[in-house]
This record gives sequence, structure tokens and C-alpha cells, in this order.
Amino acid sequence: LAKTTQPISMDSYEGQEVNITCSHNNIATNDYITWYQQFPSQGPRFIIQGYKTKVTNEVASLFIPADRKSSTLSLPRVSLSDTAVYYCLVGPMNTGFQKLVFGTGTRLLVSP
Amino acid sequence: DGGITQSPKYLFRKEGQNVTLSCEQNLNHDAMYWYRQDPGQGLRLIYYSQIVNDFQKGDIAEGYSVSREKKESFPLTVTSAQKNPTAFYLCASRRWDSHLSMNTEAFFGQGTRLTVV
Repeated sequence: LAKTTQPISMDSYEGQEVNITCSHNNIATNDYITWYQQFPSQGPRFIIQGYKTKVTNEVASLFIPADRKSSTLSLPRVSLSDTAVYYCLVGPMNTGFQKLVFGTGTRLLVSP
Repeated sequence: DGGITQSPKYLFRKEGQNVTLSCEQNLNHDAMYWYRQDPGQGLRLIYYSQIVNDFQKGDIAEGYSVSREKKESFPLTVTSAQKNPTAFYLCASRRWDSHLSMNTEAFFGQGTRLTVV
């Protein structure tokens, strides 16, 4: 499984756009990039997933450059409720069930 | 409501005792996972199961045991061999989407907080 590197923490203010970058230099051809969000004392929940270029949903956007060695989760106009830990996972999704390996994540703090 | 349920929410164990954490899902998911989370840390994989009657060790399996006798259920036993069992335990599941020919995202339970007293 590809190793991922994310910033340990980030700070932002309400209304700003937040971009969290994840490095995954040894990503394999059939690996997908998936982001999860976790609030304190809760299980993580899925935010977005992509393979290449750009993916957007109602919550976030995911930007993946052509070489796929990194990806950026973009949260538009964050609010206090976006304060959470964000995890980047990289692994195959179409070759049977694999281990789901979570790193330490990025702790985002949104202030008023 | 479909979902994944962990029980109990809080659990206290005396040193030297085994304790079993429950994880049940009615999502018809094939794969199930157990994670441990310590304060301020990420999730570490204990065990996972891809199919009934089969499971694999994760990164920190020592002191834990699991069973997968039914598709819906994946209980985790924390044995007395686990030296530092106080932690937040999370169970997850996901399925194979035959239309897309790929796994779905993982769904997590609300967790069980285990404390050794």
C-alpha cells in the first residue's frame, strides 16, 4: 500500500477555503485516493474519492495532478463545524478487499 | 435503518479479564474491519475480514482475537494478553459494487470506548 504524508495540523478561519495536501509518491497504477473526516469520539466518514484530475461533490473537491504523486482536498468556505481530522488513504479499490490503512491525518481547526 | 452498530458505547474492564466488543451491520457488506485509536492518534488496524469464516491480522493484532461466523457480525475480543487495552475501538465495513467492479467506501460505527480499571 502506498505511504501517505499529510501535514499534522492546519488552522483556518470561518469562510476561508482550506486546501489539505497529501503526498503519495509510490502510488500504484490501480490505486485510488480517498479522504475521510473524523469528529472527536466518532467514526470517520467518507468525504470524496478520485483517481485522476478533479472530482467535486457537495462537500469538497479533490485535485489530482497528472503524475498522481500528490492530491489536494479542497474545502470551500469552511465553518466551525469543519473542525475535524482529515485522513488521506491510497489503495486499490478494484482488486478485491484490501487493508484500509489510516495514517495520523491532518487536524484542522477552524476559528471564528 | 441500515447501518453499523457497535456496543456497548462505554466498557470498563478489570485487569486480567477478557472482554468482547460487538459489531453488527445490516448493510449486507462483505468486508469488516476493527481499528484502535489512542488519544490524538490515527486509526490502527487490528483485524479485518473479507468473507465469512476468514480474517487476517492487521498491524496490531497481538492481544486481540476475532471471529466471523456470520456476515453481519464481527466481534472483537480484547484478551488479558493485551497490555494496554484502554482505547477507542472502531468497527467498519464495506462492500463490493458489482456494477462498478470496485469496493465502496467504508462505513464506520460510533465506536466503543474501553477503559481498564
